[in-house]
Amino acid sequence: AQTVTQSQPEMSVQEAETVTLSCTYDTSENNYYLFWYKQPPSRQMILVIRQEAYKQQNATENRFSVNFQKAAKSFSLKISDSQLGDTAMYFCAFGETSGSRLTFGEGTQLTVNP
Amino acid sequence: SQTIHQWPATLVQPVGSPLSLECTVEGTSNPNLYWYRQAAGRGLQLLFYSVGIGQISSEVPQNLSASRPQDRQFILSSKKLLLSDSGFYLCAWNGYTFGSGTRLTVV
Repeated sequence: AQTVTQSQPEMSVQEAETVTLSCTYDTSENNYYLFWYKQPPSRQMILVIRQEAYKQQNATENRFSVNFQKAAKSFSLKISDSQLGDTAMYFCAFGETSGSRLTFGEGTQLTVNP
Repeated sequence: SQTIHQWPATLVQPVGSPLSLECTVEGTSNPNLYWYRQAAGRGLQLLFYSVGIGQISSEVPQNLSASRPQDRQFILSSKKLLLSDSGFYLCAWNGYTFGSGTRLTVV
């Protein structure tokens, strides 16, 4: 069974600075999908970024980018130019295929300070 | 475009009462549908998933059940709620697109 580990329960960053959230996973699969979700206080799960394991290029979405290290089974999220609205819980998730169930980490609470 | 609807948004129910949460998807056919539960401050736990009408797979033994009476409709039910059923319930389709969730409090 796959497992996802987020080792940082809480993190904080100053507005406009850069922060990196860590995620490691364990799987015996060669092709799979990795996701980062943002969950604000409304608890809506908002997809931030998605990475397909067979693609070597790291995914980016505006201020959000990932560092995908397949051999190390690491999938970190970098948020550049942090904004107050980035304050939220962030979850890393693993999926065997594009439409399959997801296995989630326990989350990292990110606080952006003014 | 595809959209997912989930209701109600908030629910307070007494112990022993029944439960019915509904999730519907628009703009697609034969979607994979999922029910997750999230305890406060924790990650999501998969409860049920369905790959088609009448096809339900259960991940965790519990006081809940799921049904899929129509292609784009997924229902989470309970005959008698327990205090431990309190939590935040999320429906998802295609694996990674989530509804807005239902906050259930059993009192």
